[in-house]
Amino acid sequence: KQEVTQIPAALSVPEGENLVLNCSFTDSAIYNLQWFRQDPGKGLTSLLLIQSSQREQTSGRLNASLDKSSGRSTLYIAASQPGDSATYLCAVRPPLYNQGGKLIFGQGTELSVKP
Amino acid sequence: DTEVTQTPKHLVMGMTNKKSLKCEQHMGHRAMYWYKQKAKKPPELMFVYSYEKLSINESVPSRFSPECPNSSLLNLHLHALQPEDSALYLCASSAPGTSGRDKNEQFFGPGTRLTVL
Repeated sequence: KQEVTQIPAALSVPEGENLVLNCSFTDSAIYNLQWFRQDPGKGLTSLLLIQSSQREQTSGRLNASLDKSSGRSTLYIAASQPGDSATYLCAVRPPLYNQGGKLIFGQGTELSVKP
Repeated sequence: DTEVTQTPKHLVMGMTNKKSLKCEQHMGHRAMYWYKQKAKKPPELMFVYSYEKLSINESVPSRFSPECPNSSLLNLHLHALQPEDSALYLCASSAPGTSGRDKNEQFFGPGTRLTVL
């Protein structure tokens, strides 16, 4: 059974710092991995999606990497800003032949960037 | 347009009421999802529709009844709910398929905040 873990559960950093959020999963047989951002009481915003055959994806100040063999993904945020404060969720999608529609989420990392 | 819309934004209902949540997308996606999210927890999958047919039901109680009238719309009918059903209900959509071009990226709506009294 696939399990997804995110460390740390909460993180507080000063503005301008570069930071890394971690996501690990127990079964390397995945279809893709998606990083989301969620503001309090709001829906999820898709940040980056990495297909199982890819190693990384970049969007602006965000860079996500994927190492399937070790069951790890990282989300790197450069030059953090107070507006980056939110909960970041990592989700793994199993192969299409195995519950292909289901995302398995980690518990999230709550990020606070102090001005 | 990568938008999923949900109505209403907030809903307060009694345990004997019948209400419906609505979700709409115009991205041509053929997979749509209902999730339930409690505070400080990740979303929990409830239902998946693929090509307007129910493909996954995560053993959800029958007081929740999903409906997919067409490829753009998804409803969740609520009846005789319990206070513990109070949560944020999220709808999502994605482009299903086995083609390598389909990223299967899920896009979420803003959610409906449901309170059951």
